[in-house]
Amino acid sequence: GQQVMQIPQYQHVQEGEDFTTYCNSSTTLSNIQWYKQRPGGHPVFLIQLVKSGEVKKQKRLTFQFGEAKKNSSLHITATQTTDVGTYFCAGETNAGKSTFGDGTTLTVKP
Amino acid sequence: NAGVTQTPKFQVLKTGQSMTLQCAQDMNHEYMSWYRQDPGMGLRLIHYSVGAGITDQGEVPNGYNVSRSTTEDFPLRLLSAAPSQTSVYFCASSYEPFYGYTFGSGTRLTVV
Repeated sequence: GQQVMQIPQYQHVQEGEDFTTYCNSSTTLSNIQWYKQRPGGHPVFLIQLVKSGEVKKQKRLTFQFGEAKKNSSLHITATQTTDVGTYFCAGETNAGKSTFGDGTTLTVKP
Repeated sequence: NAGVTQTPKFQVLKTGQSMTLQCAQDMNHEYMSWYRQDPGMGLRLIHYSVGAGITDQGEVPNGYNVSRSTTEDFPLRLLSAAPSQTSVYFCASSYEPFYGYTFGSGTRLTVV
């Protein structure tokens, strides 16, 4: 079945450093979504990417969708302590079903 | 402006017991789904529904039943609880399939 792999599993950074998490699919995706989950909380939708090569920005967050629509990345510039949490990608191939990656847990040391 | 409401927030069951996890949304979303989240793992799809009266299985449906009699409600039933079903359960909804899910706050279930 479809697999969505995320790396790294954990990332520890000093406040102010950059952070990137990568999402790779075994199959071509029709679109990909990114979510953030704070410790003890629930996933919160961040963004959806649909087009091949698409790049979207939200303040310090930059999201990219690969040309082949099989990979994606989330980059955070100059991390802050408010960025801590687990970032998930979710890829869709068949309508109505989505596969989540296992997430990247970010900790930020002040 | 409730969004997606899940009840209960916490539950302890004994092996073999049955129970229903409730999920309700007030956004008139057609698409609803149930996920379970285990430590160190992502969210795994249990069941989903694309509208009232229509449900389908996800990745890990065994041991769970769902029904969708109204647009607003999508309960998840555990038929005979097992320790392997200890997990955090999230209900999610969206305007249409894969349009950006709104998640509930979750139900933390422990089966002893």
